[in-house]
Amino acid sequence: DTEVTQTPKHLVMGMTNKKSLKCEQHMGHRAMYWYKQKAKKPPELMFVYSYEKLSINESVPSRFSPECPNSSLLNLHLHALQPEDSALYLCASSLSPTETQYFGPGTRLLVL
Amino acid sequence: KQEVTQIPAALSVPEGENLVLNCSFTDSAIYNLQWFRQDPGKGLTSLLLIQSSQREQTSGRLNASLDKSSGRSTLYIAASQPGDSATYLCAVDSWGKLQFGAGTQVVVTP
Repeated sequence: DTEVTQTPKHLVMGMTNKKSLKCEQHMGHRAMYWYKQKAKKPPELMFVYSYEKLSINESVPSRFSPECPNSSLLNLHLHALQPEDSALYLCASSLSPTETQYFGPGTRLLVL
Repeated sequence: KQEVTQIPAALSVPEGENLVLNCSFTDSAIYNLQWFRQDPGKGLTSLLLIQSSQREQTSGRLNASLDKSSGRSTLYIAASQPGDSATYLCAVDSWGKLQFGAGTQVVVTP
């Protein structure tokens, strides 16, 4: 299994909602990542988990809260988002932090 | 601060021509460089990874070179096909932190 899966594919939420994005991999990878990608722009790194510990937080606002319950699963909890947070949220994983990163298909988020 | 630039921003070629995509970066203290392709509205597909100690890497019709001292990488795609139409992104890796260029949008016309 060489796949990173993300759910849901699409999400529409209001600014007062709480929602979560889920990412899963069964490749035995020990590093997992969240990226944000706005239209016509490259992905921007948000968080890195290495061996289930948060190792990098790229000064992301606290309304985004990552969680890594186990080595196969990565969540991104969303609360009180702003319309400018609308974007494609990509999850990736790699064997270790310096190996090839494999990306999921993304969750397209719209904040109204 | 690392800056990654890709030129050209867009490229259109007839089928069968070779593609040459350029990537430059300002800080040579990188661990590796990765090339990805992205189809519209989709996630990224890894194409090649070149370690900082390597000069090039090949996979099928794809060949990527790396000159760390001059801060450049080039992706060559031989005998292009319409299915190669996509956006190609390079990313430099500083210990797990990937920083992407803005990408080159490629259209291969039949």
